[in-house]
Amino acid sequence: KAGVTQTPRYLIKTRGQQVTLSCSPISGHRSVSWYQQTPGQGLQFLFEYFSETQRNKGNFPGRFSGRQFSNSRSEMNVSTLELGDSALYLCASSLELAGAGKQFFGPGTRLTVL
Amino acid sequence: SQQGEEDPQALSIQEGENATMNCSYKTSINNLQWYRQNSGRGLVHLILIRSNEREKHSGRLRVTLDTSKKSSSLLITASRAADTASYFCATDAGPRDMRFGAGTRLTVKP
Repeated sequence: KAGVTQTPRYLIKTRGQQVTLSCSPISGHRSVSWYQQTPGQGLQFLFEYFSETQRNKGNFPGRFSGRQFSNSRSEMNVSTLELGDSALYLCASSLELAGAGKQFFGPGTRLTVL
Repeated sequence: SQQGEEDPQALSIQEGENATMNCSYKTSINNLQWYRQNSGRGLVHLILIRSNEREKHSGRLRVTLDTSKKSSSLLITASRAADTASYFCATDAGPRDMRFGAGTRLTVKP
């Protein structure tokens, strides 16, 4: 089985712009979770989608949003980018809801905001 | 906010030695998981231990869980240079919510 893929792998944007990141889960996985990783804050949970529905959301502003399609692929959007949004964005897929079992992580998208 | 806290933050050992990392958490959990991350890459799942389990083994890994103390430990025996990575514990802070600790940076010197 192919692993979790994320595109693009690297991205450079400027403040005020918006960005869309994509995640393709492992075939058959219905849960996709997104995380932000920074040196200062560590790994922080953004949100989780299961069967096209957002099941849980972390403590992030409304500029961060996401969606999941019927084929379980997920996109994450960040609007009005700020310097502090520079981070490694990781998505993870699982058969069950996050926390209930093993998650498989993608390689991440490294976002740099200038 | 982070649920788990790993200790120590950094650990440096020689190849062949054992490495022990600890994780403490704050709320009741259903399970606790350990993940490894090589520099700047995705996380790899190592082991999951449920709240009704006290110890679990997987190859050179041994995980213990003490729910009364809200803590877990990960032991890597006979470490190798390839074990150099950051190790994170993750708890299901429920409902349907995983939270990661800040991680322990392990360096294994050849």
